[in-house]
Amino acid sequence: QKEVEQNSGPLSVPEGAIASLNCTYSDRGSQSFFWYRQYSGKSPELIMSIYSNGDKEDGRFTAQLNKASQYVSLLIRDSQPSDSATYLCAVNMAYSGAGSYQLTFGKGTKLSVIP
Amino acid sequence: EPEVTQTPSHQVTQMGQEVILRCVPISNHLYFYWYRQILGQKVEFLVSFYNNEISEKSEIFDDQFSVERPDGSNFTLKIRSTKLEDSAMYFCASSEGISYEQYFGPGTRLTVT
Repeated sequence: QKEVEQNSGPLSVPEGAIASLNCTYSDRGSQSFFWYRQYSGKSPELIMSIYSNGDKEDGRFTAQLNKASQYVSLLIRDSQPSDSATYLCAVNMAYSGAGSYQLTFGKGTKLSVIP
Repeated sequence: EPEVTQTPSHQVTQMGQEVILRCVPISNHLYFYWYRQILGQKVEFLVSFYNNEISEKSEIFDDQFSVERPDGSNFTLKIRSTKLEDSAMYFCASSEGISYEQYFGPGTRLTVT
């Protein structure tokens, strides 16, 4: 069973702090990794993608990937109340056949940034 | 900035009726997808579509579901005979290539009564 695991939270951080979100995945052959933000009642919004081991920074967001540990994380610096949302980890995992990959989502971590 | 659009935003239908959900993917994207999200649950893959044919489908995507690209811009999901458990948000997504970033539309909330 191909799984993506996230702590459901809620994760509460004060405004201005760093929020750290974590994700593990089961398929060692996974190719690409994404973080989506989802506000209540809205669709997933892509905020970060990462394809190789290490860190990738984009503004206040840093994605970290460790394929050996099958672990992906997202850091949000200087957290703002507008960052309060559910953060979905999504992994492109091998699907039914060779060369076939599909996006598998975790259940998401609910982040609450307290003013 | 290009975006995926979906219509309608909300569809209410009676059990056993057929519904068609519509999507316009981003124009230079080649891969198209449908996902669903039951309230309070995770986003689940339904089907992927490339080069005018289904490339993958999940166990959820049974004979009641079909997809079509009727013209150069639209991508549709049809549910032939809706069941109560089909009530969910349905999201269309598109990407430039396999394993690339997928961009989601705003979704269609389907309510089956």
